Amino acid sequence: GAGVSQSPSNKVTEKGKDVELRCDPISGHTALYWYRQSLGQGLEFLIYFQGNSAPDKSGLPSDRFSAERTGGSVSTLTIQRTQQEDSAVYLCASSLFLAGSGSTDTQYFGPGTRLTVL
Amino acid sequence: QKEVEQNSGPLSVPEGAIASLNCTYSDRVSQSFFWYRQYSGKSPELIMSIYSNGDKEDGRFTAQLNKASQYVSLLIRDSQPSDSATYLCAVNKDQGAQKLVFGQGTRLTINP
Repeated sequence: GAGVSQSPSNKVTEKGKDVELRCDPISGHTALYWYRQSLGQGLEFLIYFQGNSAPDKSGLPSDRFSAERTGGSVSTLTIQRTQQEDSAVYLCASSLFLAGSGSTDTQYFGPGTRLTVL
Repeated sequence: QKEVEQNSGPLSVPEGAIASLNCTYSDRVSQSFFWYRQYSGKSPELIMSIYSNGDKEDGRFTAQLNKASQYVSLLIRDSQPSDSATYLCAVNKDQGAQKLVFGQGTRLTINP
């Protein structure tokens, strides 16, 4: 079946501009995550959505970063007034939510969006 | 101290040998542990998960967990050139939400 999709695959922008990154999770997956991966580094958690619950925004690095998830499916990560240090690969992942245990299943990652801020 | 630590490598192993990848974590209450493989320019893919002390085997892969020592490892037997990738260790700290904390990854190269 279809996996997690992200768009665009690459984005080059100028410092100070706003950017929007899109994630389309696997159908039926109610949990959705955004991560950031800088060159040669591991993944840094940004934000987590589960169903209609309030998102866990504890990983967002500044108030320039925001995300929303409409209709419990597609999510958009917005970075306002981009800075050069925002350059990274932004990865989205989705998973099933296991209501019985209150935990989530394996996270499946999308191909990522490579953001370059000049 | 980083929450999840891995040797960044590169780790070079001859084809057919055993590759051993190590990871330590700082939060003693961590509950779930994962190994992801990431090929260059690609997204991570899950290869092993482990939740209780001891060994868990899946094909050529064995994950080992020692909660007392806060240590998790991945062994790859009969290493193949296709195993060359970066291996990311991830730890779930929270109950409920699977909010993973990742190490920086170990780059593994299998030499033919």
